[in-house]
Amino acid sequence: KQEVTQIPAALSVPEGENLVLNCSFTDSAIYNLQWFRQDPGKGLTSLLLIQSSQREQTSGRLNASLDKSSGRSTLYIAASQPGDSATYLCAAHGSRLTFGEGTQLTVNP
Amino acid sequence: DAGVIQSPRHEVTEMGQEVTLRCKPISGHDYLFWYRQTMMRGLELLIYFNNNVPIDDSGMPEDRFSAKMPNASFSTLKIQPSEPRDSAVYFCASSLTATEAFFGQGTRLTVV
Repeated sequence: KQEVTQIPAALSVPEGENLVLNCSFTDSAIYNLQWFRQDPGKGLTSLLLIQSSQREQTSGRLNASLDKSSGRSTLYIAASQPGDSATYLCAAHGSRLTFGEGTQLTVNP
Repeated sequence: DAGVIQSPRHEVTEMGQEVTLRCKPISGHDYLFWYRQTMMRGLELLIYFNNNVPIDDSGMPEDRFSAKMPNASFSTLKIQPSEPRDSAVYFCASSLTATEAFFGQGTRLTVV
């Protein structure tokens, strides 16, 4: 059974700081790994999808990496802004989509 | 495409009542997923369909929960009878085979 763990559970940083969110998964037999953002009271927004054959994906200030062999993915956010405050979830696509519990990020002005 | 559409956005009901949540997936997507999100358990997969056929319903918590997908453009998740512990946000998502999953905005269910 796939298990996905995210560390840290919560993170508070000052505006402008670069930060890394971590995601680990126990079963490396995945099709892809996906990072989502969830704002309070709202649905999930897909940020980045990394196929199993890829090592990273970039979108603007976001960069996600994937190391299947070690069962790890990271989401790097450059020059963080208060608008980045949200919960970030990673999900591993195997036989099913398995989510981590999320990292709650607060970027302070 | 307008994305995955869920209705209602909010539902407040009394314990013992039947609740029906609705989902319209993105046109052309083969897979449809129902998730439940709570503070205690995070996001849990309840059931998913492939080409309108239920594939894995092992996440459905009890017989009070049932889901149907009568056609490629519509699915329902029904709770009968509802209980306070069913209060959660229920998400529907759709995807093409093994590719990016798109989520609806969710239905916030409160059972009092």
